[in-house]
Parts: sequence; C-alpha cells; structure tokens
Amino acid sequence: GAGVSQSPSNKVTEKGKDVELRCDPISGHTALYWYRQSLGQGLEFLIYFQGNSAPDKSGLPSDRFSAERTGGSVSTLTIQRTQQEDSAVYLCASSNGRTQYFGPGTRLLVL
Amino acid sequence: KQEVTQIPAALSVPEGENLVLNCSFTDSAIYNLQWFRQDPGKGLTSLLLIQSSQREQTSGRLNASLDKSSGRSTLYIAASQPGDSATYLCAVNSGAGSYQLTFGKGTKLSVIP
Repeated sequence: GAGVSQSPSNKVTEKGKDVELRCDPISGHTALYWYRQSLGQGLEFLIYFQGNSAPDKSGLPSDRFSAERTGGSVSTLTIQRTQQEDSAVYLCASSNGRTQYFGPGTRLLVL
Repeated sequence: KQEVTQIPAALSVPEGENLVLNCSFTDSAIYNLQWFRQDPGKGLTSLLLIQSSQREQTSGRLNASLDKSSGRSTLYIAASQPGDSATYLCAVNSGAGSYQLTFGKGTKLSVIP
C-alpha cells in the first residue's frame, strides 16, 4: 500500500516568508509525528498527534512553528517568518503501533 | 534527558566484509530501540526493532543486539554489499507512555566494490 507522502519535496524560500509543509500519513494510522534533521545533527522531535487528543508540542523550537492535523489524517507544519537556521529536512512519520513509518521528507532552504 | 551516540560517524569497508555499528544511550530505562537506514534524499526505513526485554533481533544479513544495562546496541552486517551503503540511525523510545524517538547522528557506511 501507499506509504507516508510529503510535499513539497524541496522548498526554497526567502528569510521572513511563511512556509507550509504537508504530510499524508498511511491510511488508518492514528499517530503522526514531525521531526527535523539539520545538517550534521540527529533527528529532532517536533510534534506528535495521536487520534483526537491534544498534540504534544513540546519539541517545537519556537512559537514561529505550528502544526495541525485535520480530520485525523493530513497534517500541515507551518513555519512563520522563516530564519536561515530553519533550513533542514523536515520528516513526517505515522504509526499504528510500535513502528514509525517515515516519509521522504521536505528539504527546506531559507536564503 | 536521553542522549544517543553512534560511533563511528563514518565507515568505509570493502565488499564482503562483516562490520559492526555501535550505538550507546545514557538512560537505560528504555521501551525499545530501533535501527533505521537512510538513503540520500530519502526517508528512513526501519530495519530492526528490539524491545527492552529482548537481547537481539535478526533480519537476513542484519543482526541487532541490545544490552540495556550497559546502554549499548550493535548492528552487525554480514557479508556487506555496495547496496548496503547508506546512513544507519539508531533511535531509542524511552518509555511505554512515551512515543518520541531520540536519534543518534548516524553512521555513514560506504561499501566499496
């Protein structure tokens, strides 16, 4: 079946602009995660959605970052007023148990 | 705070060699540990998951071991092939009520034909 998909695959933006990154999880998966992978760094947890529960936003680095998950399926990660340090690969994963399945990521470059 | 370290950061071996990748974690109270593979420009592929009660897991040429008390895991790759070239990531889930994965920075493996 289809895996986790993310769009766009690449995004180049100017400092100060807002960007939206999309994640389509595997159908039926109740849990959805966003991670960030910066150059030379490990993956960093950002936010977690589980069913209809309030999301765990403890990993978001600043209030410029927000995410929502509509209808328990598609999720959008929004970064407002982007900064150069936001440049990274943003990975989405979904799960219906103990294994997280990752999408290909969105490579964000902030000029 | 859980920290995960992977050594070495990069490894180059000739085709056919057996090799070991190392992962260590600071808090031994883990729920499970996973090894992932990441190819350039691609997402992560889960290779092996070891529950905290298990000592090892095997899949084909891959064998992952877990020594929770010492905070260590190894990924053994037998008879390496050029197609094994990728970055290998170790990730720890630190509790049944916790769902976040804490990742190491990975080991970049190159298998030379």
